[in-house]
Amino acid sequence: DAGVTQSPTHLIKTRGQQVTLRCSPKSGHDTVSWYQQALGQGPQFIFQYYEEEERQRGNFPDRFSGHQYPNYSSELNVNALLLGDSALYLCASSLGQGGRYTFGSGTRLTVV
Amino acid sequence: GIQVEQSPPDLILQEGANSTLRCNFSDSVNNLQWFHQNPWGQLINLFYIPSGTKQNGRLSATTVATERYSLLYISSSQTTDSGVYFCAVDWGKLQFGAGTQVVVTP
Repeated sequence: DAGVTQSPTHLIKTRGQQVTLRCSPKSGHDTVSWYQQALGQGPQFIFQYYEEEERQRGNFPDRFSGHQYPNYSSELNVNALLLGDSALYLCASSLGQGGRYTFGSGTRLTVV
Repeated sequence: GIQVEQSPPDLILQEGANSTLRCNFSDSVNNLQWFHQNPWGQLINLFYIPSGTKQNGRLSATTVATERYSLLYISSSQTTDSGVYFCAVDWGKLQFGAGTQVVVTP
């Protein structure tokens, strides 16, 4: 039973560029959440998708956007990259809201 | 938003020692989850524990929701227990604490 799969594992982008990160949830899960983790800190909630709609959003600017597909997979898009966007981006899936979360291995984004 | 505080921030243990990590939270939550993050960044869900006590091998956790705290116990620690332990409260989304960095020495 596959867990949460994220791609790519590492990425280097230049300031001002755009990036798309991808996530496939654990089999049987229908809710996908995205988190940003800066070095030495706990993960910070970006947004959550359920039934292809953004259900909740954290304190992140509109440069961060997402999408969920009918097969529950999800994308995180970041436009106009800043140096401060360098972080580990984690995807988590769960069954509904309030379920047990399973995290992927993350995408480490470096903006230069 | 909800405040989540973990203590201690750092913990150094000798292999075989026992320890207790604490998580305090400021408001009522749907549930609480404990995670272990290994040096490669992988977050492993250790416990889904809205209340009561659960055990998983050498690890156990207790949540007292009415008093807004949870405890994670590590018994007979091993070097593979090293990493960062996070508690996260679920109030529609996961709110993480700052973590406890655990180093277990041989």
